[in-house]
Amino acid sequence: DTEVTQTPKHLVMGMTNKKSLKCEQHMGHRAMYWYKQKAKKPPELMFVYSYEKLSINESVPSRFSPECPNSSLLNLHLHALQPEDSALYLCASSQTPTGGHRSYEQYFGPGTRLTVT
Amino acid sequence: SQQGEEDPQALSIQEGENATMNCSYKTSINNLQWYRQNSGRGLVHLILIRSNEREKHSGRLRVTLDTSKKSSSLLITASRAADTASYFCATDAETDKLIFGTGTRLQVFP
Repeated sequence: DTEVTQTPKHLVMGMTNKKSLKCEQHMGHRAMYWYKQKAKKPPELMFVYSYEKLSINESVPSRFSPECPNSSLLNLHLHALQPEDSALYLCASSQTPTGGHRSYEQYFGPGTRLTVT
Repeated sequence: SQQGEEDPQALSIQEGENATMNCSYKTSINNLQWYRQNSGRGLVHLILIRSNEREKHSGRLRVTLDTSKKSSSLLITASRAADTASYFCATDAETDKLIFGTGTRLQVFP
């Protein structure tokens, strides 16, 4: 199974709501990633989990809170978002964290299209 | 932080023609990867080329890497309408990170 699944596919939320995005992989990958992508722009890295520990936070506002309950699951908790946070949120995984001479390809989920009203 | 820039930003061709897109990056890398993204969907890995490789093939894809010029190119031969997508290069200059280039939007007309 080389699939990364993400739920929900679409999410509309108000600025006072709390919601969560979910990501799951069953490839035994030990690195998982959250990206944010605006229209016609490349994905921007938000967080990296390496062996279930947060290894990189790209100075993401605290209204985004990642969680890695186990090696197969990755959540992104959302609270008090702003309209400019509307974007496609992509989850990805790789065998081990990318970098160094053992770089591995990243497998991406289909994304969650988030609209903040 | 943005490591790579791609050109052209957009490319329109007819089916059967070849498509070439270029990626330039700023710092030394270990590997460079190319990804495809269909509209509003997740990215799909196409090919990885290591810094000690100069050329790599996969089906109709040919990737070259010139580390002295800090540039790479992706050639898609005999393009098909199904190749219509955005294409991104990605570099791993920093630990645990892939940094994506600006992307090329390819439109292939039947």
